[in-house]
Amino acid sequence: QKEVEQNSGPLSVPEGAIASLNCTYSDRVSQSFFWYRQYSGKSPELIMSIYSNGDKEDGRFTAQLNKASQYVSLLIRDSQPSDSATYLCAVKKDSSYKLIFGSGTRLLVRP
Amino acid sequence: GAGVSQSPRYKVTKRGQDVALRCDPISGHVSLYWYRQALGQGPEFLTYFNYEAQQDKSGLPNDRFSAERPEGSISTLTIQRTEQRDSAMYRCASSPLDSEAFFGQGTRLTVV
Repeated sequence: QKEVEQNSGPLSVPEGAIASLNCTYSDRVSQSFFWYRQYSGKSPELIMSIYSNGDKEDGRFTAQLNKASQYVSLLIRDSQPSDSATYLCAVKKDSSYKLIFGSGTRLLVRP
Repeated sequence: GAGVSQSPRYKVTKRGQDVALRCDPISGHVSLYWYRQALGQGPEFLTYFNYEAQQDKSGLPNDRFSAERPEGSISTLTIQRTEQRDSAMYRCASSPLDSEAFFGQGTRLTVV
């Protein structure tokens, strides 16, 4: 079982819709969770971090964490074509542990 | 500098040669990570430092790969006797302790 799992996609949504990206992780003691966006040919760029159960909103982005279900998600409201990218979920167990990435979900926002 | 800096950006080397990839983290960042990323895949963990201590090297594929961060700042990832299968994008990231990690532009390594 992979430590961090994501559906590879592509997830295709129309412009203006809500895109929902999901991630599960295997280690129950994981403490820190991150979402990165990676455009083709570019480096991963941090867009959200979440550390406690519940929702965290930042502009059009909402991260949701459910530690009991070992599940973290990213919602993108009012999706734009410029949101088309690969979204990477990353998990860290604690301060002395490595940051582990999933394989990413490719999002395509259709104009 | 303002961000994580990696050099060189591109490296072409002949099979069997040694290569050294450099990462200059954001000033003051305690943690430094090395990853390898294949096309269409997420970053694959290689190794991780807190200050100068190599906390985890479990992702290094074999003993041809090594990394150091002698003064807790700049890090070097060395690949000895390169093979074609080592061709990939090598990425470095740094973070303050217990916080988000930021990536450099990466080094594209091609072994011919």
